[in-house]
Amino acid sequence: GQNIDQPTEMTATEGAIVQINCTYQTSGFNGLFWYQQHAGEAPTFLSYNVLDGLEEKGRFSSFLSRSKGYSYLLLKELQMKDSASYLCAVTKGQNFVFGPGTRLSVLP
Amino acid sequence: DAGVIQSPRHEVTEMGQEVTLRCKPISGHNSLFWYRQTMMRGLELLIYFNNNVPIDDSGMPEDRFSAKMPNASFSTLKIQPSEPRDSAVYFCASSLRGAPNTGELFFGEGSRLTVL
Repeated sequence: GQNIDQPTEMTATEGAIVQINCTYQTSGFNGLFWYQQHAGEAPTFLSYNVLDGLEEKGRFSSFLSRSKGYSYLLLKELQMKDSASYLCAVTKGQNFVFGPGTRLSVLP
Repeated sequence: DAGVIQSPRHEVTEMGQEVTLRCKPISGHNSLFWYRQTMMRGLELLIYFNNNVPIDDSGMPEDRFSAKMPNASFSTLKIQPSEPRDSAVYFCASSLRGAPNTGELFFGEGSRLTVL
């Protein structure tokens, strides 16, 4: 099966850097996605990692270690609009399984 | 191109009534997913289809839930009879699987169901 863990809540200050961790235990792992979900809205795609290492996309970066079952999402130069839930999702074949999500609050 | 389209956006119904949620995936996508989201349980996969064929329905809570995909552009999720514990936001998502595409999911805006 797939057991995915994320911190429930995090708080950070505007302009700062925050790292959101995701650990997983799964068999037949393909890759890992990060999604952003604002309150009352649908999740939207942020990043995808299939190989070990860091993928950078503007202010957002995502890291994956397959051997450790570990990923993180790094958000730089935080803005108020980054206040949202961040969900990691593990893929196995065509199946997507989402973690519980981390609710990030960005304070002025 | 239009995204994933779901209807209705909101539904309030009484316990015991039948509920039908509808989804139109993005044209050309070959996989379709139904998820349910609640505060307590997060985003749960109910069922997914590949090329209109149900692949994994192990997440469907019980026999009261059923899903169909009669063609590549339409899917329904039906709850009969509905119960208060079915109250949640139901998301439909589609993806295009296969190299070189990453196959990320594109979500509809969700159907918020309240069963009284």
